[in-house]
Order: sequence, then C-alpha cells, then structure tokens
Amino acid sequence: GAVVSQHPSWVICKSGTSVKIECRSLDFQATTMFWYRQFPKQSLMLMATSNEGSKATYEQGVEKDKFLINHASLTLSTLTVTSAHPEDSSFYICSARSLTGSSYEQYFGPGTRLTVT
Amino acid sequence: GQNIDQPTEMTATEGAIVQINCTYQTSGFNGLFWYQQHAGEAPTFLSYNVLDGLEEKGRFSSFLSRSKGYSYLLLKELQMKDSASYLCAVISNTNAGKSTFGDGTTLTVKP
Repeated sequence: GAVVSQHPSWVICKSGTSVKIECRSLDFQATTMFWYRQFPKQSLMLMATSNEGSKATYEQGVEKDKFLINHASLTLSTLTVTSAHPEDSSFYICSARSLTGSSYEQYFGPGTRLTVT
Repeated sequence: GQNIDQPTEMTATEGAIVQINCTYQTSGFNGLFWYQQHAGEAPTFLSYNVLDGLEEKGRFSSFLSRSKGYSYLLLKELQMKDSASYLCAVISNTNAGKSTFGDGTTLTVKP
C-alpha cells in the first residue's frame, strides 16, 4: 500500500511555456502533500506544503506565482511551473502524508524530471 | 532552524558493515527518518525512529539518541545494490510537521 504516482515521469518544454505535474496518492487519502526540488548531487529542497482545500504554504525564496500548487482533493495535488526557464530544469518530487496514519511518514512519488530548453 | 549533518561520502566493501551517522539540532523533535535514494530516483523509506534505541529491520538498523541529537543507520552484509545516497530527515513540531533533510551520504559499495 501507500503508493504515490507522478505524471509525467519526464518532460521537455521550451522556455516561456508552462508545465503541469500531477501527484496522486493511489491507495490512501493524503491530508498533506509536499513538493520538493532536487538538483544534481544535492539533497531535496522543500518548495511548498499543500493541504487539501487550502492554499499552499511556500518555503522562503520560492515564488508562489511561478510555482502554482493546487490540492483539489485528498488524492491529487498539481504543481504548475509557469513561464519555465532553463534554470527551472530539475527533478521535482512530491510526497504525501496519510490521513489515517499516526506517524509522520511521507510516501514519495517517483519524481518528474523537467528539462527546459 | 534545524541543522542536520551527515558525511558526504562513504565507501565500503561488499559483505561488510557500514554505519552512517547523522547529527541534528532541533527544537520540538518529533522523529527521524532514514531514506535511500538511488541516482535518478525518488527516495524510499527505510526507517523511522521517535524513541531512543535501536530499530532493526533485516539488514538495516537505525539507532536514535534524542539527548545527543544523534542517529545512525547500520547496513549489514553490504550488497552492490546498496550503493546509493542515504538521507537523514528530522521532523519537528516547531516546523509544522515538515521534514528537514540532510544533504545525504553517498555510499559506494565496492567488490
């Protein structure tokens, strides 16, 4: 159990376009979903925390107008990278925390590799 | 804020035992996770410690000392497939329940 999917797995887009990444909890309901970004040979950097039905909380330095997060249901959160630039190229990973779980364990999606040309 | 320190790189031999240390400074400690991450893939859960002591799970064990702000991940009978990055992450209730990740330890297992 506790499977999280992400779509797409990888995407190449042109500079100036927008890209939407979906994160789904397949077999559980997620109270909270987290969006991370990871550059090569670096650790995960938390971008934002989203709770179903409320606005996402962004970490310092993350532009909320550039990285739009929507958490419309207990099983789906989306991250839209707007007006993408080459420096946005990275590995984007979501994770979800269970509604019923008593621990703080997060279940990670497989990640989405974004390349902006 | 939270400081999490782990060694950047470690090398060990197939079949051996390796211990990866993690020290942290935080207030409102609420648990520590270890994750394994292979290159180009997302992290996978290894262990979760919230109380002091050793948690054993097959070839992997994790230890926590809250008073010392210290944890280690112990990998026994190393296999080549254990070559990966190992991430220590701390949960603090003063950080809204979010995980803060260390920079990770890249483990290379050699034949």
